[in-house]
Amino acid sequence: VLTQSPATLSLSPGEGATLSCRASQSVSSSLAWYQQKPGQAPRLLIYQASNRATGIPARFSGSGSGTDFTLTISSLEPEDFAVYYCQQRSNWPPLTFGGGTKVEIK
Amino acid sequence: EVQLVETGGGLIQPGGSLRLSCAASGFTVSGNYMSWVRQAPGKGLECVSLIYSGGTTYYADSVQGRFTISRDISKNTLNLQMNSLRAEDSAVYFCARVGSGINLGYFDYWGQGTLVTVSS
Repeated sequence: VLTQSPATLSLSPGEGATLSCRASQSVSSSLAWYQQKPGQAPRLLIYQASNRATGIPARFSGSGSGTDFTLTISSLEPEDFAVYYCQQRSNWPPLTFGGGTKVEIK
Repeated sequence: EVQLVETGGGLIQPGGSLRLSCAASGFTVSGNYMSWVRQAPGKGLECVSLIYSGGTTYYADSVQGRFTISRDISKNTLNLQMNSLRAEDSAVYFCARVGSGINLGYFDYWGQGTLVTVSS
């Protein structure tokens, strides 16, 4: 089970964001992060805990291993306000997602 | 360019059946792991079915015995046959490609989704 916190993060453009994903048991580095905007499909941001997917800006970074992971957005751009999901691929299937963190404009 | 386009969603009565299709371009469905991921209104993401490149299939417990994933190689499409539909199956259904290599197990490309509503 993947647990994301906080459920909602209220921030202003230009501020930094730190999102957490905790696994109920170790997933090693087998974790990804996705961004989803309203009415759109999720987009892969980070894979293997810390690798940015193709075309993802450098302001997005991932860290962690084992059971604790963090997605950091260094300075929020207007287009970054969205819902973020973590997903694990350790010992799959199933491939499972966290419940999501909504980053909203303060 | 990789593209995935889902069709087949709609309003269906409880107990009914629906078939979703996902047309792929820019790669071959049969050469990749593919999946259906759903999202109930206002809720999170759930991977309900996978098909490996070798043909092995996986189903979430919530749909086991009611849904069938398949591929049409000639049309380069992914399908999801959904039978005995329930209200709790109402969701946007996304077709997604599972990456390969270091990306194996992550969803690297997604379709735009198709809405399934199960209601009388």
